[in-house]
Amino acid sequence: GAGVSQTPSNKVTEKGKYVELRCDPISGHTALYWYRQSLGQGPEFLIYFQGTGAADDSGLPNDRFFAVRPEGSVSTLKIQRTERGDSAVYLCASSLNTGTGRTEAFFGQGTRLTVV
Amino acid sequence: RKEVEQDPGPFNVPEGATVAFNCTYSNSASQSFFWYRQDCRKEPKLLMSVYSSGNEDGRFTAQLNRASQYISLLIRDSKLSDSATYLCVVSPIRGGNTGKLIFGQGTTLQVKP
Repeated sequence: GAGVSQTPSNKVTEKGKYVELRCDPISGHTALYWYRQSLGQGPEFLIYFQGTGAADDSGLPNDRFFAVRPEGSVSTLKIQRTERGDSAVYLCASSLNTGTGRTEAFFGQGTRLTVV
Repeated sequence: RKEVEQDPGPFNVPEGATVAFNCTYSNSASQSFFWYRQDCRKEPKLLMSVYSSGNEDGRFTAQLNRASQYISLLIRDSKLSDSATYLCVVSPIRGGNTGKLIFGQGTTLQVKP
């Protein structure tokens, strides 16, 4: 597919468990972002990758959250010891950073995480 | 105080009406500005960028006032299909290097027949 792909689309897990959320960006997009969206709120920034490196991880709420992008394409968001407050839709976006003007960020459909 | 503030609404308007949304941002270093649209249970999609000179795309007009740190979106001749949540977005990064996008809470628009 041509768009940003996120798997799984839904994940239900028990409190205290570990989860991994995967994002497949648009081919060739160097920038990748993770956001979290709770009901009635706008997306909340978590982390931004430029290539393989995390250019800005200031939005990660605590050390239970970690994200990697080892080859500069697919990214995985990892959450340890999940808590009920982690329940949200986790959105991934990618963009083609050309340095020559507006570059649109394209979002995936998100992973709806429910911690019970 | 949130970095990007919007009135969550909802705004309920009849078809054909003109409606305006406003947004304020607190970081004076913000360099890029956007409006995104999000349909219920869908992902956000870029509606338009916002430039200091103001810009128009069909029925949609966006304005930026840097001095007041204020962004607006005007929708003319509202259609039923305009019903959605409109997200105000700012970024500290200029131009092509998108960087971090900061979203407002979103303003919900319901257009009624």
